[in-house]
Amino acid sequence: DSGVTQTPKHLITATGQRVTLRCSPRSGDLSVYWYQQSLDQGLQFLIQYYNGEERAKGNILERFSAQQFPDLHSELNLSSLELGDSALYFCASSVARSWADTQYFGPGTRLTVL
Amino acid sequence: QKEVEQDPGPLSVPEGAIVSLNCTYSNSAFQYFMWYRQYSRKGPELLMYTYSSGNKEDGRFTAQVDKSSKYISLFIRDSQPSDSATYLCAMRHGSGNTGKLIFGQGTTLQVKP
Repeated sequence: DSGVTQTPKHLITATGQRVTLRCSPRSGDLSVYWYQQSLDQGLQFLIQYYNGEERAKGNILERFSAQQFPDLHSELNLSSLELGDSALYFCASSVARSWADTQYFGPGTRLTVL
Repeated sequence: QKEVEQDPGPLSVPEGAIVSLNCTYSNSAFQYFMWYRQYSRKGPELLMYTYSSGNKEDGRFTAQVDKSSKYISLFIRDSQPSDSATYLCAMRHGSGNTGKLIFGQGTTLQVKP
């Protein structure tokens, strides 16, 4: 158990809908990262937050957005869902004393768009 | 061309074999190198972390980095059925203020009893 929690574990929804994925980082970790894992693209970085502020953006679609709250938990919002958004979404956290520190991954949320 | 290339396998070996997993990369700015293990439907778990060329050993696992060739390897000695998983290499830049990781595609390993 990495100490990173994600809810829900599974999510099944329809095209065009909007969903919210939630992540609680390990105690003491200030930085949260979101990754998407699909069969064809592998594990891809979406976005990073550090202590409530956006720090880096990767291949995140405009239909997707995220935020980190004062208690450091984070939410990833996916809207106007398409079939191709079906994937595993992972959250990771790190202390971020330096940007070389270890990222610990949560168990993921499996999103299925029908 | 992807920044990080990794043979997806699958790789099947008998129990006790030595396993060699490899990644190549194209961006010389990568300075930190990691190997993650991912069991089916679980989150990736960090196995090894190194930032310099050479070898780093941890139990049955050895990580090797050759920055001049842009090539990293993970060796597993005395492989066990419990090592059956997908192994992902990951890298990040040495500069900048982000922890963004770039992952390889992952190699699926099966160790047969």
